[in-house]
Amino acid sequence: EAQVTQNPRYLITVTGKKLTVTCSQNMNHEYMSWYRQDPGLGLRQIYYSMNVEVTDKGDVPEGYKVSRKEKRNFPLILESPSPNQTSLYFCASREIGTATNEKLFFGSGTQLSVL
Amino acid sequence: GNSVTQMEGPVTLSEEAFLTINCTYTATGYPSLFWYVQYPGEGLQLLLKATKADDKGSNKGFEATYRKETTSFHLEKGSVQVSDSAVYFCALRSYNQGGKLIFGQGTELSVKP
Repeated sequence: EAQVTQNPRYLITVTGKKLTVTCSQNMNHEYMSWYRQDPGLGLRQIYYSMNVEVTDKGDVPEGYKVSRKEKRNFPLILESPSPNQTSLYFCASREIGTATNEKLFFGSGTQLSVL
Repeated sequence: GNSVTQMEGPVTLSEEAFLTINCTYTATGYPSLFWYVQYPGEGLQLLLKATKADDKGSNKGFEATYRKETTSFHLEKGSVQVSDSAVYFCALRSYNQGGKLIFGQGTELSVKP
């Protein structure tokens, strides 16, 4: 089954404690992206990656890091989480360069609370 | 810059009522337009899309027409069901930043039996 898998689904942590949210896709997609969803603001892009070792900032990258060492994985790293990073996070992926590349596949989300 | 504006929610309807969720956009050129749906506890799923002016996207009884003259992409359904209760996001595809999707703020729909 084609899917984007995020872990964990729920995470409660404290300010300053480094954490990683994992994301993996099994569709051999080149493009991967992280979004955060906040009430009244919709989804905002944090980082994206066009292929292995190619990453770039989205609209709200401050306080986040990503890496793309393998095509299937795109972890989101919070080196020193702060309460304003409490949010619902989504990983997404799609193909590049084909007629079907318009469709973005989303993971089920990670609800993060930073105390 | 590019942006998407949706009508405020929540929208509460009775089963079999007619649904309209308004969406307008600001963009340079002619972006592709999308509606995504988010059911409770799940990620977003593509509902329908339109890639050029006057295109009509449709799926599961939902429809939206790409109106260049009014820069709109309103979502409609003739008869909603309880199972349509979800959050609906209008989005456009930007031509920069790797072709990212720019989302509206989302409109929550609640359908009562």
